[in-house]
Amino acid sequence: GAGVSQSPSNKVTEKGKDVELRCDPISGHTALYWYRQSLGQGLEFLIYFQGNSAPDKSGLPSDRFSAERTGGSVSTLTIQRTQQEDSAVYLCASSQRLAGESEQFFGPGTRLTVL
Amino acid sequence: RKEVEQDPGPFNVPEGATVAFNCTYSNSASQSFFWYRQDCRKEPKLLMSVYSSGNEDGRFTAQLNRASQYISLLIRDSKLSDSATYLCVVNIRNAGGTSYGKLTFGQGTILTVHP
Repeated sequence: GAGVSQSPSNKVTEKGKDVELRCDPISGHTALYWYRQSLGQGLEFLIYFQGNSAPDKSGLPSDRFSAERTGGSVSTLTIQRTQQEDSAVYLCASSQRLAGESEQFFGPGTRLTVL
Repeated sequence: RKEVEQDPGPFNVPEGATVAFNCTYSNSASQSFFWYRQDCRKEPKLLMSVYSSGNEDGRFTAQLNRASQYISLLIRDSKLSDSATYLCVVNIRNAGGTSYGKLTFGQGTILTVHP
């Protein structure tokens, strides 16, 4: 079956613009996660969804970052007024149950470059 | 102090060598432990879970020491295809045993296996 998909695969934007990143989880997976990975760094947790609700938004770096999930499926991560430090690979993952209780499967990521 | 700390590496070993990676975690409430593998410019993929009694999967052996809050990964008979970044990952659960839903990743250890 299809894995986690993300779009776009690459996004180059100018500082100050808004961007939307999309994640399509594996069908039937109730949990969905957003991480980001800067060059040479580990994964930084941003937010996770259980169904359509986000119990933990603690990882969002600032109020310029927001995410939503509708219909228990597709999720969108929005970054407003992008800054150069937002440049990173944004990874989405999904799992049947919560992290630690079932395997997380990652998408290929969206590489965001803010000029 | 970082929640999950790993040997930074890089480790450069010849084919056939045995190599060990170490990882420590700071939160004693951590309950689930994993090793993920990430190839260059690819998404992370689960390599193996780590169980209290230690576990083995072919050439890979993972061990957990809860008292010392320490996890290890041993790779025997290294292959060229083992070259990757190895990520130590923990999941924290609350007192009721329910996952908090996010995984915390170490920065990763780079392994290069050469002919």
